[in-house]
Amino acid sequence: DGGITQSPKYLFRKEGQNVTLSCEQNLNHDAMYWYRQDPGQGLRLIYYSQIVNDFQKGDIAEGYSVSREKKESFPLTVTSAQKNPTAFYLCASTLGGAGKAKNIQYFGAGTRLSVL
Amino acid sequence: AQTVTQSQPEMSVQEAETVTLSCTYDTSESDYYLFWYKQPPSRQMILVIRQEAYKQQNATENRFSVNFQKAAKSFSLKISDSQLGDAAMYFCAYRSASGATNKLIFGTGTLLAVQP
Repeated sequence: DGGITQSPKYLFRKEGQNVTLSCEQNLNHDAMYWYRQDPGQGLRLIYYSQIVNDFQKGDIAEGYSVSREKKESFPLTVTSAQKNPTAFYLCASTLGGAGKAKNIQYFGAGTRLSVL
Repeated sequence: AQTVTQSQPEMSVQEAETVTLSCTYDTSESDYYLFWYKQPPSRQMILVIRQEAYKQQNATENRFSVNFQKAAKSFSLKISDSQLGDAAMYFCAYRSASGATNKLIFGTGTLLAVQP
């Protein structure tokens, strides 16, 4: 089945530790996105990538880093610089071609990150 | 910058009844897309319905329909014959048609409860 797989489902971070959230898609989508979801704040864009080896900061990129070495993979690292990392993280992807109506964003099931 | 506002944090509806969720947005663009996403307790984001701003006809998907008022910048979701499975958080989202990305801007969500 085609889809977006996020792992792990739950993740715990200790003080000063970097942790990496995985996002893999087998939809052959060009663009991938990371969102952070906090209670009462909806989803906010962290980083996005429209093509392999290229990515751009979203609205809340500080304390996060990403890489896009393969089309199907877009891992997110939550660094120790992110002082309030507890949140629900969602990965999404689209076929590509910005502005086209057909480019619906499909989402993974998310990762819940908590601080120990 | 574009913004999306959902002024109803919580709504409740009786099973088989109809409910309308409100969404307003602010933009200076003339061409864009609007979406309603559903997030059930599983936290998986599911696309419910989308509307292209250049289309005057309101979108419908089975029991879900929208009332798109472009001049008023309003995009409400009507759920007819509500079912227990409709209970979820509903997010309204905006996407520019002319931007360089498929970035979505989300509202803060409306939590819908369905009473048996």
